[in-house]
Amino acid sequence: GENVEQHPSTLSVQEGDSAVIKCTYSDSASNYFPWYKQELGKGPQLIIDIRSNVGEKKDQRIAVTLNKTAKHFSLHITETQPEDSAVYFCAASFMDSNYQLIWGAGTKLIIKP
Amino acid sequence: EADIYQTPRYLVIGTGKKITLECSQTMGHDKMYWYQQDPGMELHLIHYSYGVNSTEKGDLSSESTVSRIRTEHFPLTLESARPSHTSQYLCASSFQGGDEQFFGPGTRLTVL
Repeated sequence: GENVEQHPSTLSVQEGDSAVIKCTYSDSASNYFPWYKQELGKGPQLIIDIRSNVGEKKDQRIAVTLNKTAKHFSLHITETQPEDSAVYFCAASFMDSNYQLIWGAGTKLIIKP
Repeated sequence: EADIYQTPRYLVIGTGKKITLECSQTMGHDKMYWYQQDPGMELHLIHYSYGVNSTEKGDLSSESTVSRIRTEHFPLTLESARPSHTSQYLCASSFQGGDEQFFGPGTRLTVL
């Protein structure tokens, strides 16, 4: 069945350094890949997304890259700040799931002062 | 901040009780979703709706039921709660042609 794998499960970086989270997906027909940020006690919130016809997308300190051949996509956060500490989820839409999102297991990002 | 609300935020109940988790949104979104999430873990879709009178089961088998009588309201009901239902339940909504899902704050359910 459809699957999204996310690594690492926990990532600790020094404030100001960059953080990279990677996801792989199982279905080459997937065409939409969002990233969500979930802070403690809140629901997830979309931070950036990418479609299969684009290789990279940037929004200030956040970027997402997509490699369709290898079926993986990555979230890049530069110049990390304390408020970046949260759990980050990747997801992918799959035709066999009626284009509903299948979610990765999440990455807990810790920004050390 | 998205205008989607869930009540209650926390609920502790005994086994066998019937419960309804409420979800309302004021954005006029057609699509609504219910996810189950264990703390810090991935989200699993249990129900979704394309609009009024539409309900579909998600990829995670669930003993819960949903209804969609009004656009803004998508309640989830457990007829007989069990300890295995202990989890966080997240409600979300989106425009019919849109991809971004807006989430409520969640209901943390504990069944003793």
